[in-house]
Amino acid sequence: DQQVKQNSPSLSVQEGRISILNCDYTNSMFDYFLWYKKYPAEGPTFLISISSIKDKNEDGRFTVFLNKSAKHLSLHIVPSQPGDSAVYFCAASAKGDKLVFGAGTILRVKS
Amino acid sequence: DVKVTQSSRYLVKRTGEKVFLECVQDMDHENMFWYRQDPGLGLRLIYFSYDVKMKEKGDIPEGYSVSREKKERFSLILESASTNQTSMYLCASNFEYRSGGYTFGSGTRLTVV
Repeated sequence: DQQVKQNSPSLSVQEGRISILNCDYTNSMFDYFLWYKKYPAEGPTFLISISSIKDKNEDGRFTVFLNKSAKHLSLHIVPSQPGDSAVYFCAASAKGDKLVFGAGTILRVKS
Repeated sequence: DVKVTQSSRYLVKRTGEKVFLECVQDMDHENMFWYRQDPGLGLRLIYFSYDVKMKEKGDIPEGYSVSREKKERFSLILESASTNQTSMYLCASNFEYRSGGYTFGSGTRLTVV
């Protein structure tokens, strides 16, 4: 049973526009959420995180939104750049336990 | 620059071979993890370790074992490689069991023929 779901396997966006990647979770005990970015033949790298006490966290072009009542989080990238093309993984943990990852979304930014 | 190093980027092994995947971290992290990444399935946890000589099964431990004789090194062992173990293998570490964010290695692409 997948506790973290990324229902869109892929997303294609024009350069300069907004990319929105979505993630849903089922475990109400999750209190810490992260996004990782992965290029081919490389390991995932940490992008941005959010604690359940917040509903928004921003870092440059990247913003993560958390809607606890809907058990939903999203990553916004504005403006999107070709170098953002990668696989994005959503991850969550409950009270510091090990991370649970989603299946990933492939983002393609077209120039 | 702190890092997690996986000894091989690409490996090709034959069915039935015993395969060792090595991972070393230089951050003095207590916790280390082995994942495999497959399209559509994301990152699935195979084994993890929160201390030297300690190991815990993850979600998909069947067909694998691990060894952690030193704090900085965590080895994944495929006892008898099979074609369904063809995958990208990722090692990760973090400082505390309860702190969340992981540092990943670059991965090992294993093909079993």
